[in-house]
Amino acid sequence: EDQVTQSPEALRLQEGESSSLNCSYTVSGLRGLFWYRQDPGKGPEFLFTLYSAGEEKEKERLKATLTKKESFLHITAPKPEDSATYLCAVQADGSSASKIIFGSGTRLSIRP
Amino acid sequence: DAGVIQSPRHEVTEMGQEVTLRCKPISGHNSLFWYRQTMMRGLELLIYFNNNVPIDDSGMPEDRFSAKMPNASFSTLKIQPSEPRDSAVYFCASNDRGPDQPQHFGDGTRLSIL
Repeated sequence: EDQVTQSPEALRLQEGESSSLNCSYTVSGLRGLFWYRQDPGKGPEFLFTLYSAGEEKEKERLKATLTKKESFLHITAPKPEDSATYLCAVQADGSSASKIIFGSGTRLSIRP
Repeated sequence: DAGVIQSPRHEVTEMGQEVTLRCKPISGHNSLFWYRQTMMRGLELLIYFNNNVPIDDSGMPEDRFSAKMPNASFSTLKIQPSEPRDSAVYFCASNDRGPDQPQHFGDGTRLSIL
């Protein structure tokens, strides 16, 4: 069964303390992996798309990487405004052309 | 640029009532997606439209749920009759290339069925 698992469920960091969020996936065939940020009361906001193992994308303090089984979202020297829930989503091959599976998210809290 | 616009933002109604959620996608986007988000199940894709045509409705939970897209700038998600377990946040998203490209989400409708 196709599955996307994010860890940890919640992460509390001090401002400036770098860390990584994990997204592990088990799918029949990966068409794309997406990272989104979601603030309370808002819809998810797109961050990155990764399509093949070895690919990396960067934006400000965030860097996303991809292997054949997992993706990491690295956060370098985070600031309080980076506090949010980070969602990973996978689009997989399958009978359904639009098969998109979201992980349950990591709630990130950055203390000043 | 105007993003995806959803209405209402909040809806509280009694069990058995009909509920209609509305979505205006970003102008020029030809793909539209409806999602449901709950604490227990996370974010789930309900239905996907391309060029106003439903392509995949395999995520629609029951026949009580229906979705339409009468034109490129408007879509509705209807629940009739509503049940307490339908309580969730419903999101609409759009893009111009389909499910293997990033999506732009609205801010959702928080639905509570009493």
